[in-house]
Amino acid sequence: DAKTTQPNSMESNEEEPVHLPCNHSTISGTDYIHWYRQLPSQGPEYVIHGLTSNVNNRMASLAIAEDRKSSTLILHRATLRDAAVYYCTPTTGNQFYFGTGTSLTVIP
Amino acid sequence: DGGITQSPKYLFRKEGQNVTLSCEQNLNHDAMYWYRQDPGQGLRLIYYSQIVNDFQKGDIAEGYSVSREKKESFPLTVTSAQKNPTAFYLCASSKLDRATNEKLFFGSGTQLSVL
Repeated sequence: DAKTTQPNSMESNEEEPVHLPCNHSTISGTDYIHWYRQLPSQGPEYVIHGLTSNVNNRMASLAIAEDRKSSTLILHRATLRDAAVYYCTPTTGNQFYFGTGTSLTVIP
Repeated sequence: DGGITQSPKYLFRKEGQNVTLSCEQNLNHDAMYWYRQDPGQGLRLIYYSQIVNDFQKGDIAEGYSVSREKKESFPLTVTSAQKNPTAFYLCASSKLDRATNEKLFFGSGTQLSVL
């Protein structure tokens, strides 16, 4: 199973970009990389996912390294609503592995 | 509105008692999952099901049981064999499409505590 390494916590000023890194060095060639975020006492919410090339949606951008051993979630302008725990989850055969994630604090 | 409904939101279990957590989805998803989350920890997979009347164990299935008699329902029973059941339980579902690897949709969770 692919395992992940993420910083335990990060801080960002409001309205500044945030780059959340994730290492997944044991990922297999067919694993997608998903990102989810979770507010306290709530279920996680899907953010973005990709396989090889960079991806953009209305919430964020996902930059995937050429060797696929790492990826970076980019929030272009952090808001207070973006404060959450962010999980990077490689998927193997529709099984999703969730590590401990990165707790993002947004400073007003 | 389409989505996943978990109930109850809070549940208390007495020692030696079995309790069942409900999970219903109206998204017409084939796959359903149960995760356990302990404070400050990530999510650990308990069981998952990709088709009616079939399910597979995840990483921490001991002390839990599930059934999948209908596509839209995937209840989880926490048995008396689970000695440390206090945790936040999350149900999720997804389409099954290996070409695009569909995303997970989560319910709002059930907090289980032991009396």
